[in-house]
Amino acid sequence: GENVEQHPSTLSVQEGDSAVIKCTYSDSASNYFPWYKQELGKRPQLIIDIRSNVGEKKDQRIAVTLNKTAKHFSLHITETQPEDSAVYFCAADAGNMLTFGGGTRLMVKP
Amino acid sequence: DGGITQSPKYLFRKEGQNVTLSCEQNLNHDAMYWYRQDPGQGLRLIYYSQIVNDFQKGDIAEGYSVSREKKESFPLTVTSAQKNPTAFYLCASSQGLAGYEQYFGPGTRLTVT
Repeated sequence: GENVEQHPSTLSVQEGDSAVIKCTYSDSASNYFPWYKQELGKRPQLIIDIRSNVGEKKDQRIAVTLNKTAKHFSLHITETQPEDSAVYFCAADAGNMLTFGGGTRLMVKP
Repeated sequence: DGGITQSPKYLFRKEGQNVTLSCEQNLNHDAMYWYRQDPGQGLRLIYYSQIVNDFQKGDIAEGYSVSREKKESFPLTVTSAQKNPTAFYLCASSQGLAGYEQYFGPGTRLTVT
């Protein structure tokens, strides 16, 4: 089955800096890669996703890149703000279920 | 945030007892899922259902059971066979199985002592 590795497990940045979270996947059949944000005590919510026919997608301060050959994808957050502090999960969908990475706890220091 | 609900928010049970967690959605979604979340770990899939009266095991189905008698409802039973049942349980739904956003419920925190 699919295996998704996510790094780093924790990330601390200064407000205004950029943050990058990286994930690798094992199943070359995976074709959908969402990113979820989970604030403390709340449910995960989708923040951005990318499909395998696209190499990059951007939404305001958030961008995701996908390298199918290397089987890795990354989340980029620019101009980080304290409200970006949360746990971020990547996931890969090989056709019938999502496999999640272990999560990255992002802390943005004011 | 609305559309998918779970109850109760907190649940306490004694070891050896079965317990059923509720999940309801009014989003008219075909697919529903149950995940388990342990501290510092990602979400692990327990069971999923693509349509009514059909469901499939996920990665960690042992000790759990589900039913899907109605499109709106996908209850999860944690049986006494589950060795480490204490966890945070999240239900989710989506339009279809492949390539659709999953919408999560608020979760149920189960503590078994």
